[in-house]
Amino acid sequence: QSALTQPPSASGSPGQSVTISCTGTSGDIGAYDAVSWYQQHPGKAPKLLISEVTKRPSGVPSRFSASRSGNTAFLTVSGLQTEDEADYYCSSYAGNFNLLFGGGTRVTVL
Amino acid sequence: QVQLQESGPGLVNASETLSLMCTVSGFSISRGHYWGWIRQTPGKRLEWIGSDHYIGPTSYNPSLKSRVSISVDTSSNQFSLKLFSVTAADTAVYYCVRDTLQGWARDYWGQGILVTVSS
Repeated sequence: QSALTQPPSASGSPGQSVTISCTGTSGDIGAYDAVSWYQQHPGKAPKLLISEVTKRPSGVPSRFSASRSGNTAFLTVSGLQTEDEADYYCSSYAGNFNLLFGGGTRVTVL
Repeated sequence: QVQLQESGPGLVNASETLSLMCTVSGFSISRGHYWGWIRQTPGKRLEWIGSDHYIGPTSYNPSLKSRVSISVDTSSNQFSLKLFSVTAADTAVYYCVRDTLQGWARDYWGQGILVTVSS
């Protein structure tokens, strides 16, 4: 199965919002409430930001939010801060005990 | 605080077996959750390898299933990864992870270990 599709880059100025898309199919993103988003800073392990499409784990700032429309999931970072500059990855359960990841989006704070 | 730590050789010869261990602290594996491995290629692509549960079935990425084995050891609170017949394409940073109880997410990650396959 193919990886999920993310734009390679996104950017915004401090205080602005940026939205990242993650496109899959009716067999993964569109089929299961199992979409997750991760943030990764250089040299660090990914950190869970969102699970089950829209749920923020304890400790994740409320300016990180997520949604889904059909076979595409979205992550929005509101009120961009310099520490939000990182790589962001989506993932989704794809059935048959398989998990897919997106290729990652580099967010730059201008 | 749940912590995971990978250990193992950083260099493996092509055609041999890659073996890694993950030591879990701050949480007993026998309390549940699936425990697994994810790798990140030099091009930054993330790839799920598989997950195991101390009493549940093991699940593997279909593309790696024929070459991988993951097992949980509750007595040592560790779990392992074996990847057989490795090639240069298996060069990556390997992360051990804890799966969330629902939603197929990974809520705790080790710091990662770089494994290079030498030809």
